[in-house]
Amino acid sequence: AQSVTQPDIHITVSEGASLELRCNYSYGATPYLFWYVQSPGQGLQLLLKYFSGDTLVQGIKGFEAEFKRSQSSFNLRKPSVHWSDAAEYFCAVGGATNKLIFGTGTLLAVQP
Amino acid sequence: GAGVSQSPSNKVTEKGKDVELRCDPISGHTALYWYRQSLGQGLEFLIYFQGNSAPDKSGLPSDRFSAERTGGSVSTLTIQRTQQEDSAVYLCASSLVTGTTGELFFGEGSRLTVL
Repeated sequence: AQSVTQPDIHITVSEGASLELRCNYSYGATPYLFWYVQSPGQGLQLLLKYFSGDTLVQGIKGFEAEFKRSQSSFNLRKPSVHWSDAAEYFCAVGGATNKLIFGTGTLLAVQP
Repeated sequence: GAGVSQSPSNKVTEKGKDVELRCDPISGHTALYWYRQSLGQGLEFLIYFQGNSAPDKSGLPSDRFSAERTGGSVSTLTIQRTQQEDSAVYLCASSLVTGTTGELFFGEGSRLTVL
């Protein structure tokens, strides 16, 4: 069965510092991987996605993620965090015809 | 409409009552999902309508939960005999294509509180 693990429930970083949010998945075939962000009081928005090809994908708002098949991971990174990045981040896995399954989310706080 | 619309935005009900939550997806979107978001539980998959195919109901937590999608557009999630553990935000999302190759567009959710 497909599943997603986000081991970090809460992360706090200082503004300007780098960020890495962890995501591990379980999926029996070629995974389609996604990161979504949910800002306070708003709906979820797609940050980036990976289907195939280059394992380093670029997204909106300066985010990137790297697919590592050997580690079943799809970690999200940003070199310099802004206060407006404070939000909840969700990793998700699906397939060509399967439903999209989300992780439990990582809540990011940004210190001035 | 411009985005996914859900109603009501807030619903307070008494234990044992039935509730209906409505989702109006983006026009032309063939795929529609319902998720439940509870504190600390992430987004729990409930049901997935994929075009004209039979829906994937594997995430519905009990037979008190049901959903339908009429005419390939509007969807209604019904919870019968509500329990306090049903309290959560129910999110609807739609996608232009079936499968997960398409971006999901989410509504703002219906917050259900069962007293």
